Amino acid sequence: SAVISQKPSRDICQRGTSLTIQCQVDSQVTMMFWYRQQPGQSLTLIATANQGSEATYESGFVIDKFPISRPNLTFSTLTVSNMSPEDSSIYLCSARANTEAFFGQGTRLTVV
Amino acid sequence: AQKITQTQPGMFVQEKEAVTLDCTYDTSDPSYGLFWYKQPSSGEMIFLIYQGSYDQQNATEGRYSLNFQKARKSANLVISASQLGDSAMYFCAMREGRMFSGGYNKLIFGAGTRLAVHP
Repeated sequence: SAVISQKPSRDICQRGTSLTIQCQVDSQVTMMFWYRQQPGQSLTLIATANQGSEATYESGFVIDKFPISRPNLTFSTLTVSNMSPEDSSIYLCSARANTEAFFGQGTRLTVV
Repeated sequence: AQKITQTQPGMFVQEKEAVTLDCTYDTSDPSYGLFWYKQPSSGEMIFLIYQGSYDQQNATEGRYSLNFQKARKSANLVISASQLGDSAMYFCAMREGRMFSGGYNKLIFGAGTRLAVHP
């Protein structure tokens, strides 16, 4: 199994500001994934982050709004830029170990 | 098109009884994987169980088992001997395509089922 440490666990931010979420994996993984879970909804994939290349974004998500870094095989960051109340969600990072897919603890973001 | 369907928005079960959470899926890829996750109110996603499309036997992990019916494209989660701590949201997810060395394809999630365990 893999352990993913994600921080911050929660934050309250002012609209127009940016927040960077960090995920640290306890082992090397090729791909990391970032998901958004809006209130009362299921998880939606934002982007896939490969080490050494630009992230691949899903339809409806753009790099300017959600820039991602993947500097090495154990770490990734997601930035939520120019936030609005509609960005209030839980953000989760994920990585695979063998057949299992593990998640960080999630970041509960509230934009006021 | 919705590829993972969880038709039960909410379920409740009496403590110590078994409960089945439904999940159906749709894919044309012969190679795929099915996952179940538990999400308590804290928001973390806890991996429960995995079933590969080529696995001959149903997956089991402690009190969790997956009732995999390939022809019907269903992958129901069975929780035996429910405990109060089982109260949470449960998500079914699917990965399409064969896993390759060092990575895996993205997961698609169902809408989830909220389980309440009553004493």
